[in-house]
Amino acid sequence: KNEVEQSPQNLTAQEGEFITINCSYSVGISALHWLQQHPGGGIVSLFMLSSGKKKHGRLIATINIQEKHSSLHITASHPRDSAVYICAVATNKLIFGTGTLLAVQP
Amino acid sequence: DTGVSQDPRHKITKRGQNVTFRCDPISEHNRLYWYRQTLGQGPEFLTYFQNEAQLEKSRLLSDRFSAERPKGSFSTLEIQRTEQGDSAMYLCASSLQGFYEQYFGPGTRLTVT
Repeated sequence: KNEVEQSPQNLTAQEGEFITINCSYSVGISALHWLQQHPGGGIVSLFMLSSGKKKHGRLIATINIQEKHSSLHITASHPRDSAVYICAVATNKLIFGTGTLLAVQP
Repeated sequence: DTGVSQDPRHKITKRGQNVTFRCDPISEHNRLYWYRQTLGQGPEFLTYFQNEAQLEKSRLLSDRFSAERPKGSFSTLEIQRTEQGDSAMYLCASSLQGFYEQYFGPGTRLTVT
């Protein structure tokens, strides 16, 4: 079993829909990252959080340390949100999930 | 500051050849990480440095792989006698000690033919 599990692996949404991507982990962590990766592109950090909730624009990330679970929400999704979203947990290094491929159709 | 840079961005090599990649971190960051990402998978940790000291290596890092950070600034990752299974994106990231936010470079895509 992977130490970081994401669901769903693939997600197709219509423009404007509310999107949720989930991440569960099984190790002790210092923080959790949500990352975005465009095809052929590098990785951009969206959030780093260790408790509670963070919001940036249309993106919201939450974490429940007791349940070892985090969610990334995208409100009013747009085709430019199409990318791979990766959850990574921080120990002394990052342990990554396999990513969620999101396609937002106009 | 221009962020983390990696060179080259793409490398095509024949099996058995040696390749070397370079990573220039954000200047004030003293931690530097190397990751490998194969198609359809999340990145996997390879190794990390704090200043010039290599503090941890994954067992993914076989004896054909060596990484250095001689002056605590840029780092190189060398793969000797490349194999087709080495084809992947090699990602570098840097961070400040004691902080956990890592900033990623654009990656070097290696294709071994």
